[in-house]
Amino acid sequence: EAGVAQSPRYKIIEKRQSVAFWCNPISGHATLYWYQQILGQGPKLLIQFQNNGVVDDSQLPKDRFSAERLKGVDSTLKIQPAKLEDSAVYLCASSLLGQNYGYTFGSGTRLTVV
Amino acid sequence: AQSVTQLGSHVSVSEGALVLLRCNYSSSVPPYLFWYVQYPNQGLQLLLKYTTGATLVKGINGFEAEFKKSETSFHLTKPSAHMSDAAEYFCAVSRYGGSQGNLIFGKGTKLSVKP
Repeated sequence: EAGVAQSPRYKIIEKRQSVAFWCNPISGHATLYWYQQILGQGPKLLIQFQNNGVVDDSQLPKDRFSAERLKGVDSTLKIQPAKLEDSAVYLCASSLLGQNYGYTFGSGTRLTVV
Repeated sequence: AQSVTQLGSHVSVSEGALVLLRCNYSSSVPPYLFWYVQYPNQGLQLLLKYTTGATLVKGINGFEAEFKKSETSFHLTKPSAHMSDAAEYFCAVSRYGGSQGNLIFGKGTKLSVKP
């Protein structure tokens, strides 16, 4: 089966610009996660979707980050405006409904804010 | 609140030697525990997980881990290191126990394998 697809792989932007990342989960996976991985740290959950509803966004900086999951399939994570501390790898993961922790991760988008 | 501490940000072993990566956790609910591996420029891959039942868990690539509640530990081991094991390893604990897929990760341990 195809894996979790993410694009772009790399992105360099200036601070205060906006940026968007796209994720296409494995077909049939109802649950989708966005994690932020800052260099030297473990991934931190930003938001969790189940179908097109938000399950947990308690760690999403809502003043600048937003995410949506259209029709319960693809998802987009947006940052506006970006700050230097947003430089990180943004990982998308998906899992089957009810199969908790059976995550499949994408390769991530590496964002550099200069 | 749940948390994970990985002891040692960098571990170096010789090929064929024992691999031991340490992980201690804190959880207010019965924990689900995980080890993930990350190769350069790739996403994370699940090595193994403990949810309930047998405390010795076997995973892929010859790795295993033992859940020790009394020590709040979930250390990862492999009897004989291979060059291909060089990667970064992350321990994780479930944020809400078994009810959701939300994970808290440790800071990671980078494993180097010397020939």
